[in-house]
Parts: sequence; C-alpha cells; structure tokens
Amino acid sequence: GAVVSQHPSWVICKSGTSVKIECRSLDFQATTMFWYRQFPKQSLMLMATSNEGSKATYEQGVEKDKFLINHASLTLSTLTVTSAHPEDSSFYICSARTPLERGGSTDTQYFGPGTRLTVL
Amino acid sequence: GENVEQHPSTLSVQEGDSAVIKCTYSDSASNYFPWYKQELGKGPQLIIDIRSNVGEKKDQRIAVTLNKTAKHFSLHITETQPEDSAVYFCAAPRGSYIPTFGRGTSLIVHP
Repeated sequence: GAVVSQHPSWVICKSGTSVKIECRSLDFQATTMFWYRQFPKQSLMLMATSNEGSKATYEQGVEKDKFLINHASLTLSTLTVTSAHPEDSSFYICSARTPLERGGSTDTQYFGPGTRLTVL
Repeated sequence: GENVEQHPSTLSVQEGDSAVIKCTYSDSASNYFPWYKQELGKGPQLIIDIRSNVGEKKDQRIAVTLNKTAKHFSLHITETQPEDSAVYFCAAPRGSYIPTFGRGTSLIVHP
C-alpha cells in the first residue's frame, strides 16, 4: 500500500508555544490529505481536509486560527498548533487519498503513524 | 450526515477462535466500507475494504461482509492470533469520500 509519514512522532512543548507537524506521502502524490485528532481510547475525529493549493476545509468546532494547515505541495501537508495549551495535548494523525493510477479511488485513505503532542 | 455504530466495544477471545465485529450505517448512499486496525501508539492501518457492489471479500484470515439492505457490514477474523490484538475501526463515507468512523472495538486475543 501507499506510505504516509509524519514528523515528529512525538513532541513536548511549553504552553503558549507553537508546534508544527508534517505529513508526507512518500511514494505518491496526494491532492487531498486529512488531519485527525484522537483522544485516549476514543475514535478518530476529523479536524480538517487539506487540499493542495487551496485553503483547508475545517470541521465544525475546529478553530482554523489555532490549527493552521498548509498543503503547499502534492506530497506535504503541515499542521501547526498555535499557542498550544495543555488541552491541545492529543494524538494527531494525518491521512492521504491515493491517486487512481495507484489503484486507489476517491475513497481509499492511508494513514500516517501519528504524532503524540504533550503540552506542559 | 452519516452515523456509524460499531459493536462490541471490547471483544475477548482465545487464540484460534474467530472474532466478529459489526457496524451499521445510516446513509443508504454510502458505497465504500473500510476496516482499520490500530495498534497502541500507531496510526490506523487499512486491512480490508469492500464496495457496495460486492457482498463479501476475503483476504486470508480476514473477511468483510456487507448487507446493503440492512445497512450493516462485519469484519470476520478466523484463527485469531495474539498479534491480532488491537483496536479495530470501521468507517463509512460521509459525502463523497470523507469517512465517518465507528467508536472502535478493542480485540484481545489470549494465548
């Protein structure tokens, strides 16, 4: 299957600082990537849909000024948590849709390994 | 919007037994149903998926069945092994491709 990476795998930061998480599709170009947040023992919550070259589409209740998403190339999307607070501590996961030429469809998604964010 | 219900929340089996996890969905227009396996501290991994024009799909010890009339689909794992222990999520698309995930099932396979 297609490979999606995330960096860093974990990060600890002080309250009030900003943290950037990178999501890369390693062996394919992804026009659309997704950002999820997951709390312990809970399901994945979609935060936003990231489209290459355009503004991200945020889910209801997600602050776009706090969670900045940039999808500047077909292989890279970034999520920046601005002015992080302890309540932002969570597991952040990205995913990417595989292109049709890779045997994918408009539906198939592959997930990155996740980034554990801890805000002190 | 799509509503996905997943049961059970926890499933404990002995090694070698079969495990079945069920999901129901609400949007009759949904036509793609993936299953993901998530190990502790890792991202979800696509293990099998099925489309609405197929009733069953099998890949070695894993199978997925779909009943579009009843709007439910199930994951079947046969001859379970300890390494199958993980959280399993079903999903159904909301709109064209954005998936709505079930709450997850924690599968525990006892050696």
